[in-house]
Amino acid sequence: AQKITQTQPGMFVQEKEAVTLDCTYDTSDPSYGLFWYKQPSSGEMIFLIYQGSYDQQNATEGRYSLNFQKARKSANLVISASQLGDSAMYFCAMRERGYGGSQGNLIFGKGTKLSVKP
Amino acid sequence: EAQVTQNPRYLITVTGKKLTVTCSQNMNHEYMSWYRQDPGLGLRQIYYSMNVEVTDKGDVPEGYKVSRKEKRNFPLILESPSPNQTSLYFCASSIEGGVTGELFFGEGSRLTVL
Repeated sequence: AQKITQTQPGMFVQEKEAVTLDCTYDTSDPSYGLFWYKQPSSGEMIFLIYQGSYDQQNATEGRYSLNFQKARKSANLVISASQLGDSAMYFCAMRERGYGGSQGNLIFGKGTKLSVKP
Repeated sequence: EAQVTQNPRYLITVTGKKLTVTCSQNMNHEYMSWYRQDPGLGLRQIYYSMNVEVTDKGDVPEGYKVSRKEKRNFPLILESPSPNQTSLYFCASSIEGGVTGELFFGEGSRLTVL
């Protein structure tokens, strides 16, 4: 079973509008971290935002916010006021405590390609 | 500037010719890891290291070796590359291997094996 599911392979959004990228996760570990990364066409991986499993409030970083619904195991990324430069692949990822093998591994979803239209 | 540096950024090689992709970080991070990214498969962990002299296999370790003799360096070795190792490779590091630390990624190394 996939640990991170991103159900939107591609999305379009009009410039200056808000967009939500979906992410659901699967873990039985009570302690975990959720991350979003952006990968522009140039290829580098850019960290956007982090949410800890024990955090009471949703994380925010500038125009990025994470809509964390723990009971639903959902960690959607909301980008407000989209800009042309937001066009990229977006990856949701999770780190678990990882006893034994793959400690600290960042498990990625397959990504969502966001295109911002002028 | 805090960064993870990989070299080479681009490489075309032939089957069986040993190669090493270097990775160095200047943030005194304990945890380092290698990933490969393939279309439709996303990013998958190859090997990771919790600290100096401590390495372990990730999800797709076959055909790769690593070493961690110094804290800052974590080279990826392909002893006998094959075409199925054509991929985009990322080195990453974080303060430690827990759940809270973001991974800082290098710029990626695009490898083609003919």
